[in-house]
Amino acid sequence: RKEVEQDPGPFNVPEGATVAFNCTYSNSASQSFFWYRQDCRKEPKLLMSVYSSGNEDGRFTAQLNRASQYISLLIRDSKLSDSATYLCVAYNNNDMRFGAGTRLTVKP
Amino acid sequence: ETGVTQTPRHLVMGMTNKKSLKCEQHLGHNAMYWYKQSAKKPLELMFVYSLEERVENNSVPSRFSPECPNSSHLFLHLHTLQPEDSALYLCASSLHRDQPQHFGDGTRLSIL
Repeated sequence: RKEVEQDPGPFNVPEGATVAFNCTYSNSASQSFFWYRQDCRKEPKLLMSVYSSGNEDGRFTAQLNRASQYISLLIRDSKLSDSATYLCVAYNNNDMRFGAGTRLTVKP
Repeated sequence: ETGVTQTPRHLVMGMTNKKSLKCEQHLGHNAMYWYKQSAKKPLELMFVYSLEERVENNSVPSRFSPECPNSSHLFLHLHTLQPEDSALYLCASSLHRDQPQHFGDGTRLSIL
């Protein structure tokens, strides 16, 4: 079983739509979680950290569910520029594990 | 400007060549990393340096040899690579091991 699993997608949504991704992690001792975005042929960039109480940054909301061992990312009012691959990351004891990513395409 | 700079951006080499990838970070971070990213696969962690000491080597073949001369610079020396080593090689740094990582633009490597 993979340490961090994501639905690879692609998710194809119209502009203005709300879209949500989930990511499951296998290590219950994981302490910190992050979402990165990676544009085609570019490096991953930190999108947001995920806190136990959930956090929001503009149109983006991240949630953590420790009981079910998943984190989620919600994007409201999707923009064309949101098209990218979204990587989920779980950290435990000096070990940062990346998921393979979920691809999102926002269409006009 | 990402704060983490990698050179070269692209590299094409034959299997018998020797080349080096360079990474430099201007963020004052204490940890640096090399990752390999192949198409449709998760990032594969190759090496981790913390305060210039190698703290992790994830069963990487010896044809990849890292070097960290100081906390700002990281190299990946390549020798006798195989076609399956063609991938995007990403360098990253973080303030500490448990902090988010900042990535360089990557070196896209093609082995002929």
